Amino acid sequence: SQTIHQWPATLVQPVGSPLSLECTVEGTSNPNLYWYRQAAGRGLQLLFYSVGIGQISSEVPQNLSASRPQDRQFILSSKKLLLSDSGFYLCAWSVFSVRGRRNYGYTFGSGTRLTVV
Amino acid sequence: GENVEQHPSTLSVQEGDSAVIKCTYSDSASNYFPWYKQELGKRPQLIIDIRSNVGEKKDQRIAVTLNKTAKHFSLHITETQPEDSAVYFCAASRYSSASKIIFGSGTRLSIRP
Repeated sequence: SQTIHQWPATLVQPVGSPLSLECTVEGTSNPNLYWYRQAAGRGLQLLFYSVGIGQISSEVPQNLSASRPQDRQFILSSKKLLLSDSGFYLCAWSVFSVRGRRNYGYTFGSGTRLTVV
Repeated sequence: GENVEQHPSTLSVQEGDSAVIKCTYSDSASNYFPWYKQELGKRPQLIIDIRSNVGEKKDQRIAVTLNKTAKHFSLHITETQPEDSAVYFCAASRYSSASKIIFGSGTRLSIRP
């Protein structure tokens, strides 16, 4: 069965420090991978998505970046964090089945709660 | 661009009553509509989904309806229970190898004892 791992669970970082959040998926190949951010009490904002190694699409301009060095690994980074980067970061994956002509709904990781101080 | 609107933003119902959350979408090519439930401090979890080739789908106390002509879809929860209290998100996407799911803004559902 497929599983998604995301770490760390919580993180407190000072303004101006770098960031690296990692997400890995097991049990599937060539997944679509996504990074979302959720501010407290708010909706889900898509930050980046990737359909393959080295392929990153950015949805919103910001000081964050994403990379996909391996098929099942997705990394969210920042060189210098801002206070506004605080939030709940969620990684997710989905798979498109050509045979079944269907997309499977997202499965989310457990999330990283980032507080920038 | 694609947009999904969700109403209401908050909903309070008496335990045992029904709850209905409604969404509209803008992309007429959308053909997959999942619903997610997010409990406080946890990840969103898929609870039910519907594809464009059906108008209704039911799973125990929850059901979804879809009106493709009007670009509306709804979540219905019957016989609500305290554990139904959560934030619910509707979403829409297309069948494609590079699809992204567009989420509504969420509905905070509270069940009154």
